[in-house]
Amino acid sequence: QVQLVQSGAEVKKPGASVKVSCEASGYTFTDFYMHWVRQAPGQGLEWMGRINPNNGGTNYAQKFQGRVTMTRDTSISTAYMELSGLRSDDTAVYYCARKSSYSDNWFDPWGQGTLVTVSS
Amino acid sequence: EIVLTQSPATLSLSPGERATLSCRASQSVSSYLAWYQQKPGQAPRLLIYDASNRATGIPASFSGSGSGTDFTLTITSLEPEDVAVYYCQQRRNWPLTFGGGTKVEIK
Repeated sequence: QVQLVQSGAEVKKPGASVKVSCEASGYTFTDFYMHWVRQAPGQGLEWMGRINPNNGGTNYAQKFQGRVTMTRDTSISTAYMELSGLRSDDTAVYYCARKSSYSDNWFDPWGQGTLVTVSS
Repeated sequence: EIVLTQSPATLSLSPGERATLSCRASQSVSSYLAWYQQKPGQAPRLLIYDASNRATGIPASFSGSGSGTDFTLTITSLEPEDVAVYYCQQRRNWPLTFGGGTKVEIK
């Protein structure tokens, strides 16, 4: 079955960077876009961007342009999301989510989430 | 950016009752709308895509309707395991956006 397994929780200081990984299994990694969505504590969902694992092409939400970098390593079927210049309001659970098999830009399935805490 | 407004913020119903959740878009998204269910402590799960199509494995008690700017998610008979926050999401325009969510509780 399709599965996305993310890296563990992180604690970072303001101004630092964090890199979250998302290992995919159960399907051909290069066939489906991978998206990243975050959720601040007690808040809603916010789309950050996506990567085409086939060619590495990316689309980022304007809010994160210049701070986010999405990459992938096809040899190990893993996608990465790096966020720099961390602030306290970047504290959130970060999810990877695969493009659904139905049509573009629906998310199914999702990873289990990675909590990133930004605190001095 | 397309803003999605969900109502009500919280819905408290008894088991077996019908739940009706609303999502309104700030401009037309055609039928490019999905619904997700997020149970406490879990990642979201896709329920409905393209406004009215159930994802694989989703019970028939969940249905979606609407087009343009007004959409509805209906749970025909609420069960305790349906306690969750439900989000709508559009893919009509970039950036992809979500509504603020409706929390469904059992009385």
